[in-house]
Amino acid sequence: DAEITQSPRHKITETGRQVTLACHQTWNHNNMFWYRQDLGHGLRLIHYSYGVQDTNKGEVSDGYSVSRSNTEDLPLTLESAASSQTSVYFCASRPGLGSYEQFFGPGTRLTVL
Amino acid sequence: GENVEQHPSTLSVQEGDSAVIKCTYSDSASNYFPWYKQELGKGPQLIIDIRSNVGEKKDQRIAVTLNKTAKHFSLHITETQPEDSAVYFCAARGNSGNTPLVFGKGTRLSVIA
Repeated sequence: DAEITQSPRHKITETGRQVTLACHQTWNHNNMFWYRQDLGHGLRLIHYSYGVQDTNKGEVSDGYSVSRSNTEDLPLTLESAASSQTSVYFCASRPGLGSYEQFFGPGTRLTVL
Repeated sequence: GENVEQHPSTLSVQEGDSAVIKCTYSDSASNYFPWYKQELGKGPQLIIDIRSNVGEKKDQRIAVTLNKTAKHFSLHITETQPEDSAVYFCAARGNSGNTPLVFGKGTRLSVIA
């Protein structure tokens, strides 16, 4: 079955380290999104992509980057992890222009010590 | 840009009672309003959505209503069951065809048996 997966599911790292969270979908969706979820803030958009080689900044993009080299993957990189980036990260995808339903991955819990 | 406010942040109901969660949005051009349910340790999952050309949509025990004039929409759950306990998110999306969803901060619903 087609799906969207995230890895790792849990990660503990230290302040200043570079961290990459993986997101992989097998639906061939053009649109992919990264959100972070924090208590009291709901889901906030970090970065998104509408297709290969396309990336866009979201509401809370500082300290994060993404790259889209193929349709299936949108890795999220924390260039220099900070304690404020401790959060649960969700990847999502939807088919593309004119589509509505958005599908979420299971999430990655990241702790920055 | 779009801003979505969601109330209440927490809601407790007795099993069998109804639950109502309300959201307001700021961009009158928004035309798509989904509701997501997030169970503990999982990613959000779409449960119902409504587009701006209809005022109400039902799916078994859940319904969504939309008031475009007042720019608010609501989720109604009837005959609540313990398995309805979860965090619920509303969202809105503008009408440019491919804009990202903007989410409310979520409502934690507890159904007390």
